[in-house]
Amino acid sequence: IAGITQAPTSQILAAGRRMTLRCTQDMRHNAMYWYRQDLGLGLRLIHYSNTAGTTGKGEVPDGYSVSRANTDDFPLTLASAVPSQTSVYFCASSDSGTGGNEQFFGPGTRLTVL
Amino acid sequence: GQNIDQPTEMTATEGAIVQINCTYQTSGFNGLFWYQQHAGEAPTFLSYNVLDGLEEKGRFSSFLSRSKGYSYLLLKELQMKDSASYLCAVLDSNYQLIWGAGTKLIIKP
Repeated sequence: IAGITQAPTSQILAAGRRMTLRCTQDMRHNAMYWYRQDLGLGLRLIHYSNTAGTTGKGEVPDGYSVSRANTDDFPLTLASAVPSQTSVYFCASSDSGTGGNEQFFGPGTRLTVL
Repeated sequence: GQNIDQPTEMTATEGAIVQINCTYQTSGFNGLFWYQQHAGEAPTFLSYNVLDGLEEKGRFSSFLSRSKGYSYLLLKELQMKDSASYLCAVLDSNYQLIWGAGTKLIIKP
């Protein structure tokens, strides 16, 4: 693994189903983030984690949950998917959650909820 | 509320210079980032400004004026591969990035 990876690349999901998007980084970064990107809107922060064992809510957390059991992994779960969660999801990481550290992004997961 | 404004789309000619502006109103300021995002790909880091002034990095330069809540990204000697969206983002008082919607830059030969 080099950098940050996400799985799956894309997914079509029926409304009401549960789905976990996976994110793994090998840069030993302390901070990790989940964003969604919708056409005409900027990236919006869903949840973040400044260090393993801690998580926080971003701008649009409703309907999503995260966990950070270790440094490398930061899965995002949709407990019961709805069509408004159709989006491109990006995971990102940075060396620190405070300070001007650049965020490195994964390749994204394109999710369609029908 | 927090707000980042940048033009939706710009067109420029190969070999020319283009300036992409960004204005912001945020709760606190801990720096401003510019990212490049090619269609269907992830954003990649271009620059970070926390103090006023111009930061130059090859063909790309970024300027910041904190008193005016204003930044611009200057791209020189445009190449076709520069066709992409350019995202402005501000690190607010909680160290969360607030993102603009991005400026789609179209380069014509």
